[in-house]
Amino acid sequence: GESVGLHLPTLSVQEGDNSIINCAYSNSASDYFIWYKQESGKGPQFIIDIRSNMDKRQGQRVTVLLNKTVKHLSLQIAATQPGDSAVYFCAENRASGNTGKLIFGQGTTLQVKP
Amino acid sequence: DVKVTQSSRYLVKRTGEKVFLECVQDMDHENMFWYRQDPGLGLRLIYFSYDVKMKEKGDIPEGYSVSREKKERFSLILESASTNQTSMYLCASRLGNLGYTFGSGTRLTVV
Repeated sequence: GESVGLHLPTLSVQEGDNSIINCAYSNSASDYFIWYKQESGKGPQFIIDIRSNMDKRQGQRVTVLLNKTVKHLSLQIAATQPGDSAVYFCAENRASGNTGKLIFGQGTTLQVKP
Repeated sequence: DVKVTQSSRYLVKRTGEKVFLECVQDMDHENMFWYRQDPGLGLRLIYFSYDVKMKEKGDIPEGYSVSREKKERFSLILESASTNQTSMYLCASRLGNLGYTFGSGTRLTVV
């Protein structure tokens, strides 16, 4: 099946540092992107989204950057905390032929060291 | 907040049993989805539904069926459970072209 790619399966950072999680997508027609966080034993939770007419969006301690030229999406987490330890997924919505499905990446595991 | 509720967090079933996984959402979303999640394989789409009584196969529908008799409820059925269906099952719903809201997941073990 199709998938959105993530660059690294695991990212380890020190508490208090900033984290950057990357995602590459392949379809230039995609018009909407989302980051999800999944803690152990739980379902994925929405973190932040961005539409293709934007290149940056900020939330509380999180920023999503979209580079359409190279089809790259990133999630930046400021001042990473132990509670940020989780698996992070990117997802894309494809504007053409959309049947309501999102395409998910494989996920990056963020480990926060105290 | 939209809530997606999966009826069981953990289930243990025997090989050959018929298994029902239930999912209910409370915000009138048109689209509902069933995924399974396995280590190293990510989220794989089993079935989805964009309206009552409508269903579409996802990437791995074999061994599964679904039912959507009411808008708020989307059921996943394992006709004859097998050990290779041991997995985490995630239900999600979606309104229009916004993001999914996921349930908490059901961890199914088939013995």
